[in-house]
Amino acid sequence: DAMVIQNPRYQVTQFGKPVTLSCSQTLNHNVMYWYQQKSSQAPKLLFHYYDKDFNNEADTPDNFQSRRPNTSFCFLDIRSPGLGDAAMYLCATSTEIAGSSYNEQFFGPGTRLTVL
Amino acid sequence: TQLLEQSPQFLSIQEGENLTVYCNSSSVFSSLQWYRQEPGEGPVLLVTVVTGGEVKKLKRLTFQFGDARKDSSLHITAAQPGDTGLYLCAGVEETSGSRLTFGEGTQLTVNP
Repeated sequence: DAMVIQNPRYQVTQFGKPVTLSCSQTLNHNVMYWYQQKSSQAPKLLFHYYDKDFNNEADTPDNFQSRRPNTSFCFLDIRSPGLGDAAMYLCATSTEIAGSSYNEQFFGPGTRLTVL
Repeated sequence: TQLLEQSPQFLSIQEGENLTVYCNSSSVFSSLQWYRQEPGEGPVLLVTVVTGGEVKKLKRLTFQFGDARKDSSLHITAAQPGDTGLYLCAGVEETSGSRLTFGEGTQLTVNP
């Protein structure tokens, strides 16, 4: 089945220790997103890739970086995690066509990050 | 100010009851989606509505897009414990290209 996969599902790191979360997709979608979601709140967009073009949200801290080496994979790097970065991190994909406003996003199961 | 206002924020009901969740805005949306998210999982797309006045049904769930494409509702008939979750509306504002904006969500608990 075509899907969005996130690994690991649970990640524990120490304060200040770099961590990388991964996302892969078999949907062949051209857009990939990273969201941060805190308890029972709406997902907050951190950044997205439109093909190879990186689009950062204005309020995303510099501590968060991303890489997309190919269509299928996207990584979220947190350079120096703080206690406030503990959250669920969601990867999503969509097929966007330039000029179209249709944007159905398909989410992975998320990675729950704990910072000690 | 939240672009998409969802209400209620929390809802706890008994199995078998009906409920309606609302998603309102002062902006016009090209399309609007509803997602359900279970604890520890990612949101799952339930439906997309694109035409003003559109009504879509998914088993016991009925989704409606307002005539002016500024609001939407989700009605659940005879709720079951399996309906428990966070319901998120999300829309593409007409003037925003393809950016998807999320409402704050409605946390639904259906008690047996």
